[in-house]
Amino acid sequence: DAGVIQSPRHEVTEMGQEVTLRCKPISGHNSLFWYRQTMMRGLELLIYFNNNVPIDDSGMPEDRFSAKMPNASFSTLKIQPSEPRDSAVYFCASRPAGSPLHFGNGTRLTVT
Amino acid sequence: AQTVTQSQPEMSVQEAETVTLSCTYDTSESNYYLFWYKQPPSRQMILVIRQEAYKQQNATENRFSVNFQKAAKSFSLKISDSQLGDTAMYFCAFMKGTGTASKLTFGTGTRLQVTL
Repeated sequence: DAGVIQSPRHEVTEMGQEVTLRCKPISGHNSLFWYRQTMMRGLELLIYFNNNVPIDDSGMPEDRFSAKMPNASFSTLKIQPSEPRDSAVYFCASRPAGSPLHFGNGTRLTVT
Repeated sequence: AQTVTQSQPEMSVQEAETVTLSCTYDTSESNYYLFWYKQPPSRQMILVIRQEAYKQQNATENRFSVNFQKAAKSFSLKISDSQLGDTAMYFCAFMKGTGTASKLTFGTGTRLQVTL
């Protein structure tokens, strides 16, 4: 079991650029979550999917953020255009029903 | 909405000693889960221990145990025989129900430093 795989591990980009973060959940896990971690706000849930369907996106900060899950083995979180305040660590996590979350190693995003 | 409160931003403990991290939560749910996650400097989020609300017995995992007080909505983590590798951020988390659509709500974390 390779665990939840996120890419890239680090991303540095300039303000205004599009950023795409990628996640491969653990096979067989039917729920997928995107969290953002900052010093000021801690761990915030952005959006989560169940069986590839978005269930709750109320945590997505604004229209610049979008997430997709085209199939059970892949999800993306896109920021367009990016801003310096988007700098954070973005975690993807997955789980089967009734079980704890398994987290990826996160993507550290820096927007200059 | 559920809230999770960790009132200790930072704690320190000497190696081999015992330390207790506090967590309280607020919910109107009767069926839920509670978790403690550890985040070392590598930033990986690691599950330490879980507790089902319907179970009266406190969960234990080796040197880690919890004191679950359902009426008081308290869920503290005790680390016995602390080791240098326990140095990390510790997050308490709440999840309602058992449905696949349930999400985790995290506290703000406690930074634990284990010293020689």
